[in-house]
Amino acid sequence: EVQLVESGGGLVQPGGSLRLSCAASGFTFSSYEMNWVRQAPGKGLEWVSYISSSGSTIYYADSVKGRFTISRDNAKNSLYLQMNSLRAEDTAVYYCAREAHDSSGYPEYYFDYWGQGTLVTVSS
Amino acid sequence: AIRMTQSPSSFSASTGDRVTITCRASQGISSYLAWYQQKPGKAPKLLIYAASTLQSGVPSRFSGSGSGTDFTLTISCLQSEDFATYYCQQYYSYPRYTFGQGTKLEIK
Repeated sequence: EVQLVESGGGLVQPGGSLRLSCAASGFTFSSYEMNWVRQAPGKGLEWVSYISSSGSTIYYADSVKGRFTISRDNAKNSLYLQMNSLRAEDTAVYYCAREAHDSSGYPEYYFDYWGQGTLVTVSS
Repeated sequence: AIRMTQSPSSFSASTGDRVTITCRASQGISSYLAWYQQKPGKAPKLLIYAASTLQSGVPSRFSGSGSGTDFTLTISCLQSEDFATYYCQQYYSYPRYTFGQGTKLEIK
């Protein structure tokens, strides 16, 4: 069974830092592209960052570029999001999400599994 | 960035109704569109991908259609468990994905 379990959320002051983790199990983590998607309280979904299966290709939303860093450790089946210079508008539930693959193992670019999310609150 | 606009933002319906939610892209995205269902306090769940392909395990009362800029999600016979918020997502501009603002489906 595919499982994605986020951790590391909490309350942090503006300008502070936080590191989120996503522990993956039930599939070959090193073969899949991964993303972080966030949802502010009562709002919609916002894509945050993408990392390729090897970690060699990375993209960020403009809203977090230069402040957030996505990474992965395939040996530990884990995905990370280092968040620096946090702002009030970064307050959200952060989800890790796996990109689907077709039957031949090629990425299909939509998200077939999501974690349960971890809440980040930026407030003084 | 490709902008996704859903309509309506919310509406009420009754069990057994047939409902349709619309998603419009600000530019053509071929069929690179997915639909998700989200219940309060839960993660989104994939319903449909490639605009019209039903994800494994999703009930057949859900269907999707469209291509280019205009898409629809239809629920043929609403069940109590279908009351939730629905999001469309384009993946044409991979990996700079964008979502619609959501459509909240409430019980009348």
